[in-house]
This record gives sequence, C-alpha cells and structure tokens, in this order.
Amino acid sequence: AQKITQTQPGMFVQEKEAVTLDCTYDTSDQSYGLFWYKQPSSGEMIFLIYQGSYDEQNATEGRYSLNFQKARKSANLVISASQLGDSAMYFCAMRGNTGFQKLVFGTGTRLLVSP
Amino acid sequence: KAGVTQTPRYLIKTRGQQVTLSCSPISGHRSVSWYQQTPGQGLQFLFEYFSETQRNKGNFPGRFSGRQFSNSRSEMNVSTLELGDSALYLCASSLSPGLGLETQYFGPGTRLLVL
Repeated sequence: AQKITQTQPGMFVQEKEAVTLDCTYDTSDQSYGLFWYKQPSSGEMIFLIYQGSYDEQNATEGRYSLNFQKARKSANLVISASQLGDSAMYFCAMRGNTGFQKLVFGTGTRLLVSP
Repeated sequence: KAGVTQTPRYLIKTRGQQVTLSCSPISGHRSVSWYQQTPGQGLQFLFEYFSETQRNKGNFPGRFSGRQFSNSRSEMNVSTLELGDSALYLCASSLSPGLGLETQYFGPGTRLLVL
C-alpha cells in the first residue's frame, strides 16, 4: 500500500518569495512516480511536475522544482518567485509502476500568496 | 490539443435518483480514471478503464459503475443516489494503462449535489 503525507494544511507567502510545500511518502514499490498537482478554486486538477523514482536529478518545470530525497522518502515542491495566481490547493501524489495502480493523493496544502 | 472534457459541469439530483457523468480524454489517450473528491474523504480512486475494460477498482459500493467506449470516452453511473455522494467527480486520462511513469491529466470535474 502507498501513502502520501502532507503535514502543512496551509501556507502563507508574500509575492515574489519562494515557498516549499512538504510531501513524504511510503511505498514498498521499487519503481514509482511522484506528482504534484495544483487545484484552484475552480476545481480542475492541474499537473505541475513529475519525478520518477529512478531519476537522479531533481525535476524542474519553470518556477516549479521538486526536491527529491529518496532515502528520506520526501518529494517537496519548491515554487520560486510566487505569484498571486499561485494561490490554490496543492496535492502531492504517487503511483507505483507495476500493473494498473491508482494515483494516491495526500490531503493537500492550501497556499495563499499575498501582495 | 484539447484537454480532458467532462459533462455536465454541475448537476443537482435528489436522493434515490441515478446520474451519468461523461468524460472525453485527451486525443490519443487510451486510459481513463475516475476520482471522487469530498471535503471529508479527500481524493479517492473510483476506477480505471483501458481498452473498454475496467482494470482497477477502488473501494466503492456497487452503485458506482462505469464503462469505456471504443473511442476511449468514458461514462460513470451512480444509482440510488445518497446525500454522501455529493462531491466533485474528476476524470483523468493518460497515454498508457496504469503505469507509474505516465502522467494523468485531469478534466475540470463535475460537481454533483444530492438533495
């Protein structure tokens, strides 16, 4: 069984500052994928970034980077230069790489960006 | 390329009725998954379809069912609606079936309210 833990229910950051959203995971799979999604108040789940368990380098996508520490089983999302439009719920998720496995989500972190 | 589309976007039903939700995946995507999101339970996996066959199922009662058509479009049906079925129902599509390395892209969701 897989489990995602997001311990920060809410985070507050000022515009243009960087923010780190925490995510730890638990799995017995050797091969798996880690994902971050953004969910604005409209409800749509927007894919941000992906990290494979065998990737040696941290993933980056524009202002988003994933701080992957495999030994600690953590996959924190770093948003650089926060913008007002970054205010949303952020979900960490994972899926094993064998068979038809579901995407398992954490409880999410609500990020508020202030001017 | 068009994203995942879901219809209807909003729905109000009464207890005991049934409802059908529709999902059209991204062109070329062959796998479709469904998730239920509620404030109390978070994001929970319902089922995944590939090649018109259900490949994985979450822990939901038999009132929840789905199907996939030859063009990869999918529908889910909830019979004998209960108040607790009020939720945001999210559909996601991916290129290949149930592999951790494949990113799932989500639609805007259908908000169902059961009165």
